[in-house]
Amino acid sequence: EPEVTQTPSHQVTQMGQEVILRCVPISNHLYFYWYRQILGQKVEFLVSFYNNEISEKSEIFDDQFSVERPDGSNFTLKIRSTKLEDSAMYFCASSVVRASDTQYFGPGTRLTVL
Amino acid sequence: TQLLEQSPQFLSIQEGENLTVYCNSSSVFSSLQWYRQEPGEGPVLLVTVVTGGEVKKLKRLTFQFGDARKDSSLHITAAQPGDTGLYLCAGPNYGQNFVFGPGTRLSVLP
Repeated sequence: EPEVTQTPSHQVTQMGQEVILRCVPISNHLYFYWYRQILGQKVEFLVSFYNNEISEKSEIFDDQFSVERPDGSNFTLKIRSTKLEDSAMYFCASSVVRASDTQYFGPGTRLTVL
Repeated sequence: TQLLEQSPQFLSIQEGENLTVYCNSSSVFSSLQWYRQEPGEGPVLLVTVVTGGEVKKLKRLTFQFGDARKDSSLHITAAQPGDTGLYLCAGPNYGQNFVFGPGTRLSVLP
């Protein structure tokens, strides 16, 4: 069964460093998303991406964040200058067509900012 | 932003017992999804309910979508330790992205 994959599973970085989290969405899906989950808290929406551009972003997704689909299969989330409070699980998700379609989640990347 | 609330927040039961957890909102949702999440892993889709009043069954799990599409329930019959996990409901937030409830953490003791 097709699934969303994410790499790395765990990323440790120093505050102020740039990180890139990678995702491979399900191949026939057209909408892609990033969510984050701070330990013990709700899953929170960051950004949705369709047709090679951001379709919506939350207030969390500030200028430190960017997304890209560099090669038609990967979908990346870049954090330019990490802060301690960026430590969280980051989940990629994809859906077939519309944003309201069922979303399928990857296993997540645990980001630890020291 | 549409909000989803879930109750109870925590539930600890003995193997073999039945349980129901709830997902509620003051807003109408076009659909609701139920996920189960294990520690350190991503949410795994269990079911999507779309039609008001819809009931879906997945083995010992029964999902119901409220008639007004503002609430949903998950009923587990004869719970097993393997059912232990965080149960999340989620739905489209005005059709653009998903909003998640805070989850019900279920612990089934052998």
